[in-house]
Amino acid sequence: DQQVKQNSPSLSVQEGRISILNCDYTNSMFDYFLWYKKYPAEGPTFLISISSIKDKNEDGRFTVFLNKSAKHLSLHIVPSQPGDSAVYFCAVPWGGSNYKLTFGKGTLLTVNP
Amino acid sequence: NAGVMQNPRHLVRRRGQEARLRCSPMKGHSHVYWYRQLPEEGLKFMVYLQKENIIDESGMPKERFSAEFPKEGPSILRIQQVVRGDSAAYFCASSPPDRSGGSYEQYFGPGTRLTVT
Repeated sequence: DQQVKQNSPSLSVQEGRISILNCDYTNSMFDYFLWYKKYPAEGPTFLISISSIKDKNEDGRFTVFLNKSAKHLSLHIVPSQPGDSAVYFCAVPWGGSNYKLTFGKGTLLTVNP
Repeated sequence: NAGVMQNPRHLVRRRGQEARLRCSPMKGHSHVYWYRQLPEEGLKFMVYLQKENIIDESGMPKERFSAEFPKEGPSILRIQQVVRGDSAAYFCASSPPDRSGGSYEQYFGPGTRLTVT
């Protein structure tokens, strides 16, 4: 049973435009939500997180929005760059822990020059 | 400052053989986590270890899988009598010491892709 769902397997955008990646979750008790980026043949790299007490967190070109009533979070990348092309995973620590991460299936973002 | 190291990067085993996957955490990190990514799935937590201690193995299959993190040397994930369903990418992550225990800010290695034929 998936606790986090990324329903779009892939997304293609033009360089300079906004990329919006989406994630839905099932458990309203989650405290933190994370986004990881993964290039081929590499491990996931932590990108940005958001606490459940916030609805927005921004870091440079990356902003994560949390809608608790909808159990939905999104990652906005603006402006998108070709180097952003990667698989993006949302993840949550679960089971009352702060370390047992469960990941969505990922969304492959392709930014076209 | 080297990142998390995993070897081998690719491992092919026949059904019934043993697989040993190694992970060296980042320098200064004392917490190690193992994850498995089955085809078309997200990463799933398997086990959390500190030096010489298994802290949480709630994500490990009950049989054939074991993990250790000895005082000296890398962490080892061991799979005995492998079956085709064990074919997956296995990722190791590490985090620095934290008073509250593990951390969600984990640094991942490149993974070991295990193929069982």
